[in-house]
Amino acid sequence: RKEVEQDPGPFNVPEGATVAFNCTYSNSASQSFFWYRQDCRKEPKLLMSVYSSGNEDGRFTAQLNRASQYISLLIRDSKLSDSATYLCVVITMEYGNKLVFGAGTILRVKS
Amino acid sequence: NAGVTQTPKFRILKIGQSMTLQCAQDMNHNYMYWYRQDPGMGLKLIYYSVGAGITDKGEVPNGYNVSRSTTEDFPLRLELAAPSQTSVYFCASSKTSYEQYFGPGTRLTVT
Repeated sequence: RKEVEQDPGPFNVPEGATVAFNCTYSNSASQSFFWYRQDCRKEPKLLMSVYSSGNEDGRFTAQLNRASQYISLLIRDSKLSDSATYLCVVITMEYGNKLVFGAGTILRVKS
Repeated sequence: NAGVTQTPKFRILKIGQSMTLQCAQDMNHNYMYWYRQDPGMGLKLIYYSVGAGITDKGEVPNGYNVSRSTTEDFPLRLELAAPSQTSVYFCASSKTSYEQYFGPGTRLTVT
């Protein structure tokens, strides 16, 4: 079983739509969680951290469910510029607090 | 700040050749990392360093070597290139072990 699993998509949505991505992780000792965004042929960049209480940044909302080992990202009012691959990232103590990356979910927002 | 820089951007190697991928950061970060990203896969950690003079293996270190003689530089060496090393290589750095800043990547093809 992969440490971090994501639905690869692609999710094809119209502008203005609300879209949700899910991610599951296998290591119950994982301690920190993030969503990174990666544009085509570019480097990953941090989008937001994920906290147990949930957190919101503008149109983006991230949730963590430790009991189910599940992370989600909700994007409201999708923009064309949101088209990218969204990477679910988990930190464990192994390998110097390494980041474990999911393979990513592709989002395509169309006009 | 230039952030994290990587050279070269692209490279084609023949099987058995050697090369060094360069990575430098100007943010005075202690932590530095090398990842590879294969199509449809998450980023895999090759090597990491928690400070000058300290390096350790990640998840997929075979066929690679690193050194960290200064805080700024973290070169990755491929000794005997193999087709399985065809990938996109990302270097990253972080102040703590959490948010990582990535370089633009090196696209390597081994034929």
